[in-house]
Amino acid sequence: DADVTQTPRNRITKTGKRIMLECSQTKGHDRMYWYRQDPGLGLRLIYYSFDVKDINKGEISDGYSVSRQAQAKFSLSLESAIPNQTALYFCATRDRQPTDTQYFGPGTRLTVL
Amino acid sequence: RKEVEQDPGPFNVPEGATVAFNCTYSNSASQSFFWYRQDCRKEPKLLMSVYSSGNEDGRFTAQLNRASQYISLLIRDSKLSDSATYLCVVSRAGTYKYIFGTGTRLKVLA
Repeated sequence: DADVTQTPRNRITKTGKRIMLECSQTKGHDRMYWYRQDPGLGLRLIYYSFDVKDINKGEISDGYSVSRQAQAKFSLSLESAIPNQTALYFCATRDRQPTDTQYFGPGTRLTVL
Repeated sequence: RKEVEQDPGPFNVPEGATVAFNCTYSNSASQSFFWYRQDCRKEPKLLMSVYSSGNEDGRFTAQLNRASQYISLLIRDSKLSDSATYLCVVSRAGTYKYIFGTGTRLKVLA
């Protein structure tokens, strides 16, 4: 079984709809991240969380919100989706030093019409 | 200027060739360095961490040059299955930030 899972894997929605993307992990890591990836722009950080009570905005948090329901679960919401939020979304966990490695979920491909 | 820069490629090489990618970073406080591999529409996966003394994993060799602020990845005896995008990643100690380059695309040709 995958260590980091995301649901749904693909989603097509309309402008103005509320969407939730879910992420679960079995790696036992405290740190979790949400990224979006757009062609030519690389991975950009939306939100990150160091534990259940520690949630922080990344570089592109406008239009997004998150919820850390438990150590293993970190959800991303688009309150009112817009077309420029069409992208590939990745959840990731991160272990501590010395390895300091990020582990990614399989991604959610979101299309906003 | 981007904090982490890579040549986007594509690098088109024949099977069996040796190919090298460089990645430059701008923040001298960067402490951890990685190469990730990403296949089309898939998640990035760790290829290897990059250590100060350089390190090798099979056909892959990574080097770090702190003075010139770049890391490199060398792939020997390229396989068709090496075709992917290679992401350079840098992080700073004590921060949340994991800075990704936009990737270098490699195509290994039969």
